Order: sequence, then structure tokens, then C-alpha cells
Amino acid sequence: EIVLTQSPGTLSLSPGERATLSCRASQSVTSSYLGWYQQKPGQPPKLLIYGASSRATGVPDRFSGSGSGTDFTLTISRLEPEDFAVYHCQYHGTSYTFGGGTKVEMK
Amino acid sequence: QVQLVQSGAEVQKPGASVKVSCKASGYTFSTYYIHWVRQAPGRGLEWMGIINPSGGSTSYTHKLQGRVTMTSDASTSTLYMELSHLRSEDTAVYYCARDGYLSTALDFWGQGTLVTVSS
Repeated sequence: EIVLTQSPGTLSLSPGERATLSCRASQSVTSSYLGWYQQKPGQPPKLLIYGASSRATGVPDRFSGSGSGTDFTLTISRLEPEDFAVYHCQYHGTSYTFGGGTKVEMK
Repeated sequence: QVQLVQSGAEVQKPGASVKVSCKASGYTFSTYYIHWVRQAPGRGLEWMGIINPSGGSTSYTHKLQGRVTMTSDASTSTLYMELSHLRSEDTAVYYCARDGYLSTALDFWGQGTLVTVSS
């Protein structure tokens, strides 16, 4: 079973700064099935990135995804106040595994 | 627009069962698989299983095999997730989510249903 490890657990940044979130898989995965979700308190997750690097409909271009094999990255180029949230990566393969999440909090 | 509307919060006793519904609208019901995902308080997301609304075939996570049952009713465009033999560790928010983008991601989510297991 594939295990996804996200780091860091918490990222403390200020609005306008760049955020770099990591998602590492326990074995090589197909990039087509790697996604990123944003979740705010009391809300369901929202799809941001699918296929490792494709933005979902309506997602601002300050969000970008990259990576392949076992190492994937979500980058937020300039944090807006509404971007402070928890981010989850997911492998949408046979096990549909989620990572443990990274919380982006305001410094 | 695509919507997944779930049933309301539930409180159940240990050993009981709970059945959560998810009514789909805004798209062709039979065309998209539906996943169920849960999130315990303060924890991450846990994938529970998937159902093909066309025909009803399912696949569940090993952890819940024997306790979870997912069904669909095409006449009302509604999906159901039933969890039996409830334990305190089943306390969580339960989500249904649509399998989209050519089955590469979960593109639409229900609002979530809080299930509390307490004596």
C-alpha cells in the first residue's frame, strides 16, 4: 500500500510570501493520479490540482503543482489571506491514499 | 451545477449502525463513480470506499471490510453509506465525493455528515 508523507506539518508564513508544500510517496506513483486539496475549517476539501500539475476549474494561477515519481510539490506563489488552510495530497490510484496534511497558518 | 447534498448529523450508540445519504444533482448520475471519505476530529482524510452507481459494484478499504456497505438508488439519484458495529473511533465527519477529471481526482464533495458514537 502506498503511503503519502506530507511536510512540514505546519508552515507559518505571512501574506505575500511563497509557500512550498511537499508530498512524498513510499514508492513511485503515476503523476496522473496525484492531486492536492485545500480544506478550510468546517468545510469539505476542495480540489486544487489534479494530475500533479493541472489546476482544477476556477483555481487561481498562484497555485501550482509539480513533481514526479515519489516527490511532489504544491507551491503558492504569493499567499493571500484566504489561502491559510490545510492542504492534503492524494494518490487517486487503487488505494486512494491521502497524506496527513500540511497546515498553512498566518505568522 | 453539480451538487452532492448529504443527510444531517447523527448520534449513535456503540454497536449500532448508521446510514448516511448523499443526493446527487446537476450531472448524469450513472456516469460518475462516488467515493466515501471520513475525517475524525482534528485528523486527516481517510478513504473508505468507492461505488459505481451504474450497477452498484463497490470496493472498500480493508480496514472497514465487513462493516461498511455502499449502495445507490438511481430512481432518486441518491447514494448511501451504512456503517455497522459502530465504535467510538468511528466518530467523524463523513463525506461523499465525485470521481472526476477522467477518474484522476475528487472534483465535487458533499457538505459532510457528522456521526458521533457515544454511549
